[in-house]
Amino acid sequence: DAGVIQSPRHEVTEMGQEVTLRCKPISGHNSLFWYRQTMMRGLELLIYFNNNVPIDDSGMPEDRFSAKMPNASFSTLKIQPSEPRDSAVYFCASSLAGGTGGETQYFGPGTRLLVL
Amino acid sequence: AQSVTQLGSHVSVSEGALVLLRCNYSSSVPPYLFWYVQYPNQGLQLLLKYTTGATLVKGINGFEAEFKKSETSFHLTKPSAHMSDAAEYFCAVNEGGFQKLVFGTGTRLLVSP
Repeated sequence: DAGVIQSPRHEVTEMGQEVTLRCKPISGHNSLFWYRQTMMRGLELLIYFNNNVPIDDSGMPEDRFSAKMPNASFSTLKIQPSEPRDSAVYFCASSLAGGTGGETQYFGPGTRLLVL
Repeated sequence: AQSVTQLGSHVSVSEGALVLLRCNYSSSVPPYLFWYVQYPNQGLQLLLKYTTGATLVKGINGFEAEFKKSETSFHLTKPSAHMSDAAEYFCAVNEGGFQKLVFGTGTRLLVSP
């Protein structure tokens, strides 16, 4: 049974370039989350989708960040233009939302982004 | 607002010793509580969670945690540490309804032979 799939696993880019991170959630899950992990700030929720609709994007740092979920099996997180302070590990997670809040989130392996 | 405090960014134990990782939460309503583990260069994996019912929750790999409402705590324990337990452990809270997990800053468990 495939878990959450993220690509690429590693990305090195130069400041100012566009970066696109991709995520395929677990089949049948209806909620998708994008997190960012850094040493300084720990794990931060960036945005949360339910049934492909963005529910809360209050964690998105600024307008340079955007996320889409065109269908139930694919989501992207885009950074344009990228800056060195965006360097982090970006995780995608999915869950089967039952409306209680006690649902388990399943995490992908992450994309390690380095912006030079 | 909900929050999580994990005491100790690093905990060191010897193989075979008791593991105790501390987590205290702040929540205005009865919370849902989670412990996740992260091995190097991997994503987070659920160890255990408390939703309702029994306050002592058993998880994978011999870990367990007890929800103590009076102490607003959800400490993680394992009777005997194994080398393979070396990882980073995150406590998280969710007040329910909306699936917004708030994570603690993590505790790195080091296990020495």
